[in-house]
Amino acid sequence: NAGVTQTPKFRILKIGQSMTLQCTQDMNHNYMYWYRQDPGMGLKLIYYSVGAGITDKGEVPNGYNVSRSTTEDFPLRLELAAPSQTSVYFCASRHRGSDSGANVLTFGAGSRLTVL
Amino acid sequence: AQKVTQAQTEISVVEKEDVTLDCVYETRDTTYYLFWYKQPPSGELVFLIRRNSFDEQNEISGRYSWNFQKSTSSFNFTITASQVVDSAVYFCALSEAGYNFNKFYFGSGTKLNVKP
Repeated sequence: NAGVTQTPKFRILKIGQSMTLQCTQDMNHNYMYWYRQDPGMGLKLIYYSVGAGITDKGEVPNGYNVSRSTTEDFPLRLELAAPSQTSVYFCASRHRGSDSGANVLTFGAGSRLTVL
Repeated sequence: AQKVTQAQTEISVVEKEDVTLDCVYETRDTTYYLFWYKQPPSGELVFLIRRNSFDEQNEISGRYSWNFQKSTSSFNFTITASQVVDSAVYFCALSEAGYNFNKFYFGSGTKLNVKP
């Protein structure tokens, strides 16, 4: 089991460029999340998904888009990158249930994005 | 209103001291889950513990212990005989089991510095 895999790990973008952060999980989790973490700060929810074809906005969705065509993949797209989007992005997933691993958010390693 | 409050922004201790990280939560659900995550300087988010609202037993795992008190809506984390490797940011989190299960609320984190 790879868990939650994010690519790329690092990326530098110029203002106005677009890119997609990839996230895939192999645990068959229904729930997937994208968070951003600004330097020295906590986690802010960008978007989440409760299953394939269903997505919803979190606290800070502006400037981002997501899609969920399969259970495994939850890509995050940045349109027209701005310096304010310089951050570390974390993808996470979890499942609902009563087993020992249920409800726990499993995180990817993070993607560090710099917009210059 | 904040769902999860970690009032201690930063704590510094000397190695071998005991330290307690505070977490206060707010929910109207009767069934919910509480979590602690560790984020070491390397940046990944590591799951430490999950507690459900029906289990108020304190838990001990090595030098780590957790005190869950529903009466005060607190879920505090104590590290006994701290070590330099405990230096990290620690996040407390809440997930409600009802309608808002899709959400996952994080506190703002407490940065722990353990000095040799």
